Amino acid sequence: NAGVTQTPKFRILKIGQSMTLQCAQDMNHNYMYWYRQDPGMGLKLIYYSVGAGITDKGEVPNGYNVSRSTTEDFPLRLELAAPSQTSVYFCASNVGRVNTEAFFGQGTRLTVV
Amino acid sequence: DAKTTQPNSMESNEEEPVHLPCNHSTISGTDYIHWYRQLPSQGPEYVIHGLTSNVNNRMASLAIAEDRKSSTLILHRATLRDAAVYYCILRAANAGGTSYGKLTFGQGTILTVHP
Repeated sequence: NAGVTQTPKFRILKIGQSMTLQCAQDMNHNYMYWYRQDPGMGLKLIYYSVGAGITDKGEVPNGYNVSRSTTEDFPLRLELAAPSQTSVYFCASNVGRVNTEAFFGQGTRLTVV
Repeated sequence: DAKTTQPNSMESNEEEPVHLPCNHSTISGTDYIHWYRQLPSQGPEYVIHGLTSNVNNRMASLAIAEDRKSSTLILHRATLRDAAVYYCILRAANAGGTSYGKLTFGQGTILTVHP
């Protein structure tokens, strides 16, 4: 059972470039989330999805876009990368009930130069 | 979302018990108390959760105060592998018993374990 898989693990982008961070889960979870973590800080929610076709903004959505066409996949799109988007990005999933655990991917470390 | 307060850092010696405190004075009756930890260079991982009663699992124990305004994560015998950032998180249920499952992370407690 792979759990939550994120690709790539590392990426360096130039200012103004775009990229998509991939996230896939094989647990048939309806709920998926994207977080970012800046050095020494806790995780901040960017976007989340409660099922295919349904997404909503989290705490820090500016500069990002998401889509959810399947239950398994929840890609995060960065348009016009900026140095402020240098961070570690984590994808997570769960069944959505408040008394269950969430599963996290290993993260994508992104540097924008 | 109700807020939690944790010490910035704690230290322990290997094979000794560790008690990690968390204050959540504004907790509501349907909020579950969750603990996650994040090992260096890894994503967060689930540790334990509870509502009112104390809970035990293979990783840790969770002691919840009777008024639920505080809780303590207990690692019974710390190992070097337990060195991590520990997050205490409240997850609120809506009226339907489900939630968007959002986990709101604070700064957490950095646990250092000495050999």
